[in-house]
Formats: sequence, C-alpha cells, structure tokens
Amino acid sequence: SQQGEEDPQALSIQEGENATMNCSYKTSINNLQWYRQNSGRGLVHLILIRSNEREKHSGRLRVTLDTSKKSSSLLITASRAADTASYFCATDFNFGNEKLTFGTGTRLTIIP
Amino acid sequence: NAGVTQTPKFQVLKTGQSMTLQCAQDMNHEYMSWYRQDPGMGLRLIHYSVGAGITDQGEVPNGYNVSRSTTEDFPLRLLSAAPSQTSVYFCASSLRGEVISPLHFGNGTRLTVT
Repeated sequence: SQQGEEDPQALSIQEGENATMNCSYKTSINNLQWYRQNSGRGLVHLILIRSNEREKHSGRLRVTLDTSKKSSSLLITASRAADTASYFCATDFNFGNEKLTFGTGTRLTIIP
Repeated sequence: NAGVTQTPKFQVLKTGQSMTLQCAQDMNHEYMSWYRQDPGMGLRLIHYSVGAGITDQGEVPNGYNVSRSTTEDFPLRLLSAAPSQTSVYFCASSLRGEVISPLHFGNGTRLTVT
C-alpha cells in the first residue's frame, strides 16, 4: 500500500507564482525524499530531508517536515514553464533505499 | 556517463508470452530495484537487490523474477505475461551506506499486454 499521499493531485498556476504541494505519510520515517518526473521520463531526485530536520532549501526549492503531523511540503518559488512535471514524495522507515515507498504524486502545470 | 539504461523503451506482448526487461547501470551502485507505475497508483516496488547474488521481493512481486549476477545488470523477467502487467516499468539504482543516497532512474519501459 502507498505510504505517502500527495495533495493536491493536480495544480495549475501562472508562471512566476509559487507552487506548494504536500505529502502525508502513515508511519514513522527515517528520511523523506522528493522526486520530479517529466512526461515520459524517469524520476529525478530533488531533495532529501532527514527525520531530525525541519526545513531544507535547494535553489528555488524549500522542503519542510513535520514529524508530529507526519507530513511534508514542497515549495517551488518563482515557477517556470520547465517546472511542469509530476512531483512525488518517497519515504523510508528502514535505513536506506530498500523498500522506499512512493506517494501517488502531484501533477504541476505552469501556465506561461 | 550513461547512468541507468533500460531496454526496450516499448514492448507489446500477447497474454502468456514471456520476456525480459533489461536494466544496466555504470555507476557501480550496489542497490538496484524495479518499480511499476500505473495511473493513480504511483510507483510500486516489484523486486530489489542490495548486491550481486542478493535479491528480495517488494510490494508486488508476483509474476516477476529477477537475478543479479553482476553489479551492473538487473534484468526483470515476466514469466507468463498477463493484461494486469500492462504498465510502465522503471529501474533505479543507488549507492548503499550509512548515509542514504538518492535513487537514479532509467527512462522506463512501456509494456502493453494484449
């Protein structure tokens, strides 16, 4: 069964706006990762946040983690057309990528 | 540096046929895995391997076999294809260690079983 659930399932915004997507999970985790998938391609790793971290930044990406609520959010600032993609969270409760569990994804569309 | 290479990109099978999806990586990654991606279901883990000669089942292993004779290759075998196996299949790899490493994905194999 899916460990993570992303919300919303789909999101459309104007170019230049910020995009926020959320991930909720069911059991305690060691790490949470976010991946991007462009249409017809494999997933690409964006950012990893550990269970003892609350916030992490990478370029225009900001990830937060609230372990008490079992949720994470991914914020993309100043969106660009190239950000159009699906975004997935992935969680592990064992240490490492063994049995890494992916959510169902958020489909983000940036309108030029 | 090719990364993770999957072949073929597309395949159509008839029910009952068998085939092997190929996956190769040139990054000397110990960990390799196979996922299937279905609409609205996200990615589900089929099988994974933590090194040559070692494989284990994921969430949805039935109907699939794997082997890991070398570090580089991790083929996925469909023994007797069924329409329920119509999906997009992704191979992924990563380093293993005390610190988790990101997964590197291939570009997928789109399989249709009629």
